[in-house]
Amino acid sequence: GAGVSQSPRYKVAKRGQDVALRCDPISGHVSLFWYQQALGQGPEFLTYFQNEAQLDKSGLPSDRFFAERPEGSVSTLKIQRTQQEDSAVYLCASSLGTVGTNYGYTFGSGTRLTVV
Amino acid sequence: AQSVTQLDSQVPVFEEAPVELRCNYSSSVSVYLFWYVQYPNQGLQLLLKYLSGSTLVESINGFEAEFNKSQTSFHLRKPSVHISDTAEYFCAVSDLGTSGTYKYIFGTGTRLKVLA
Repeated sequence: GAGVSQSPRYKVAKRGQDVALRCDPISGHVSLFWYQQALGQGPEFLTYFQNEAQLDKSGLPSDRFFAERPEGSVSTLKIQRTQQEDSAVYLCASSLGTVGTNYGYTFGSGTRLTVV
Repeated sequence: AQSVTQLDSQVPVFEEAPVELRCNYSSSVSVYLFWYVQYPNQGLQLLLKYLSGSTLVESINGFEAEFNKSQTSFHLRKPSVHISDTAEYFCAVSDLGTSGTYKYIFGTGTRLKVLA
């Protein structure tokens, strides 16, 4: 597609519920990133995929967070047993190259997760 | 690890006045620096970037930023702002992650509010 698409746009989950957030990157983009943006904060890195390989998951805050990109295109970020502190906007970004910097990232509009 | 400081959380300015949004980063080693803009309910959009070469970089909509290695700064400026420039601005520095891929470290953002 023309841009990075994320769904759902908004998600309200009851505490303890599992959620799945979807990211459709730009077609052909090798690199895919997930970021978490808490209210009033800048985005924080969660994880990185190069094609289907998850090369960096150092930013995932706990083992309740899991991400996959099985065919090297669409990615899903799953959060198990959601907690209130998981409330944030989850941003997905993709990049054409494997060293993303020189190509730049294209961000999606994000999924706003509210845990009640 | 790199860090980014945006000292001003909010900057109100009158239309057609100049503005400077401040950004300092933590390291003096070679870095890539970026400014992103986020309009309400939208994703991050790349405004401009410094990779190498000229220390003054410009965007297509009149913003400019100057890389100052000695002061570890990358302040964003515009000589005359418009109402449409009202948005949140994020400074980011690249950081070489464990995967060998550059990921962004973002500042906490500066909310620019242009007043009529």
